[in-house]
Amino acid sequence: GENVEQHPSTLSVQEGDSAVIKCTYSDSASNYFPWYKQELGKRPQLIIDIRSNVGEKKDQRIAVTLNKTAKHFSLHITETQPEDSAVYFCASSGGSNYKLTFGKGTLLTVNP
Amino acid sequence: DGGITQSPKYLFRKEGQNVTLSCEQNLNHDAMYWYRQDPGQGLRLIYYSQIVNDFQKGDIAEGYSVSREKKESFPLTVTSAQKNPTAFYLCASSNRLAGGEQYFGPGTRLTVT
Repeated sequence: GENVEQHPSTLSVQEGDSAVIKCTYSDSASNYFPWYKQELGKRPQLIIDIRSNVGEKKDQRIAVTLNKTAKHFSLHITETQPEDSAVYFCASSGGSNYKLTFGKGTLLTVNP
Repeated sequence: DGGITQSPKYLFRKEGQNVTLSCEQNLNHDAMYWYRQDPGQGLRLIYYSQIVNDFQKGDIAEGYSVSREKKESFPLTVTSAQKNPTAFYLCASSNRLAGGEQYFGPGTRLTVT
């Protein structure tokens, strides 16, 4: 089955700095890569996703890049703000169009 | 708030008792999922269902059971066979044919003592 590795497990940045979280996946048939943000005690919510026919996608301060050859994808947050503090999960579809495999998460702390 | 609900928010049970967690969605989604979340472990898939009256085991199905009698509902039973049931349980749903985004419920925190 699909295996997703996520790094780092914790990340601390100063407000205004950029943050980068990286994931690798194992199934070359994977074609959908979402990123979820989970605030403490809340449900995960989709913040951005990318499909395998696209190399990069941006949404305001958030961007995701995908390298299918190397089987890795990354989340980039620019101009970080304290409200960006949360746990971020990457996921991969592993060739399925409905089932996701999640990474173990990155706890991002943005210090004011 | 996403159209997917879970109840209750907090649940306490004694060891040896079965307990059923509720999950309902009004998004008309075909697929539904149950995940378990433990600190540092991410989201681990327990069971999933693509259509009514059909479901498959995920990565950690032992000690759990599910049913899918209605499209809107996907209850999860945590049985006494589950060795370490205390966890945060998340239900999700997705449009199977659209391929991709899963919408999560607010979760149920189960504590077994």
